[in-house]
Amino acid sequence: AQTVTQSQPEMSVQEAETVTLSCTYDTSESDYYLFWYKQPPSRQMILVIRQEAYKQQNATENRFSVNFQKAAKSFSLKISDSQLGDAAMYFCAYDGGANSKLTFGKGITLSVRP
Amino acid sequence: DSGVTQTPKHLITATGQRVTLRCSPRSGDLSVYWYQQSLDQGLQFLIQYYNGEERAKGNILERFSAQQFPDLHSELNLSSLELGDSALYFCASSTRSYSGVEQYFGPGTRLTVT
Repeated sequence: AQTVTQSQPEMSVQEAETVTLSCTYDTSESDYYLFWYKQPPSRQMILVIRQEAYKQQNATENRFSVNFQKAAKSFSLKISDSQLGDAAMYFCAYDGGANSKLTFGKGITLSVRP
Repeated sequence: DSGVTQTPKHLITATGQRVTLRCSPRSGDLSVYWYQQSLDQGLQFLIQYYNGEERAKGNILERFSAQQFPDLHSELNLSSLELGDSALYFCASSTRSYSGVEQYFGPGTRLTVT
């Protein structure tokens, strides 16, 4: 079975600084997808970024980028120019197999200091 | 607003009771997913339906069942409720059922079992 591990339960970053959130996963599949979701205090799940495993190029969405290391099964999220609105819980998720079903890590709570 | 609606927003009930959670997917989406978020288990995939048919099953208890109706809305039925079933239940939808497709999450139903 696939597993997703987020070993850091909490992180803090100064506003305007850069922070990296770590995620590792375990799978025997060669084709899969990885996601980062943001869950603010409202509890709404918001997709931040998506990475296809077959693509070597790291995904980027504005201030959010990933460092995808397929051999190491590592998928970290970098947030640049952190803003107060980035404060939330962030979940790393894996999706593989014939039918979509997200396997989530335990999440990391990110706080942003003004 | 993701376009996915869930009712009710909050539900408080007693142990041993049965409840039904309802989800309306985004317009045009054929796939519906149910997830459970609890303090103990984190975010877990429960079940996926595509155009009325069950496509994937996760850690869904036998006391729980779901279905997707011809108008594509879905219901999650939880019976013989236990204290441990208290959680936030998310519905998500997508256009297709295969892995990697972007899932849009609803706001969730907060279930409290007393």
